[in-house]
Amino acid sequence: QITLRESGPTLVEPTQTLTLTCTFSGFSLLTSGVGVGWIRQPPGKALEWLALTYSDGEKSNSPSLKDRLTITKDTSNNQVVLTMTNVDPMDTGTYYCARHLEPSQAFDLWGQGAKVTVSS
Amino acid sequence: EIVLTQSPGTLSLSPGDRATLSCRASQSVRDYLAWYQQKPGQAPRLLIYYASIRAAGTPARFSGSGSGTDFTLTISSLESEDFAIYYCQHRSDWPVTFGQGTRLEIK
Repeated sequence: QITLRESGPTLVEPTQTLTLTCTFSGFSLLTSGVGVGWIRQPPGKALEWLALTYSDGEKSNSPSLKDRLTITKDTSNNQVVLTMTNVDPMDTGTYYCARHLEPSQAFDLWGQGAKVTVSS
Repeated sequence: EIVLTQSPGTLSLSPGDRATLSCRASQSVRDYLAWYQQKPGQAPRLLIYYASIRAAGTPARFSGSGSGTDFTLTISSLESEDFAIYYCQHRSDWPVTFGQGTRLEIK
């Protein structure tokens, strides 16, 4: 069974750094063509892609958030970590991690999401 | 950045109706277009990838078509569980982008 689970703080103060961890099972980031990405959704709004990392080391971030985002993978512990610096109330929302497969170029399996509120 | 524009924003239909949702790309995404369904309080679920291939578990009443810049998701006969928000997404190039979504609501 393949699962992904997001974890991290539910409340972050403005200007602080948000660190979210995606812990997955049932697949490996050592397998060719497999990636894990982060997508967020502000309350009542559309999905927004944030970052993606692949098994071959390729990775990319959203250009609109590029300087604030870092995505790293820990293949031995089956985790992908997203770090977002200098958070703002506009960063409030649900953050999802999802598996991405290169053959389909789609996010085929998603975590349940982690709700994050940025507020003082 | 490739912009995906979905239409209509909201579609009001009845169970048994045929639904046609559109996704238009600002430049060609070849066939690298996926469709997702999201219900309230739930994570998105992949329905269609590579423009027209149903993901595992997607009912046959869902079909995708199109290539290049114009894509369509069709639900042949709506069932009650199909009323949700639908998003398209591409990964033909960086960055990945999603459309703004189409809300399918019960008339």
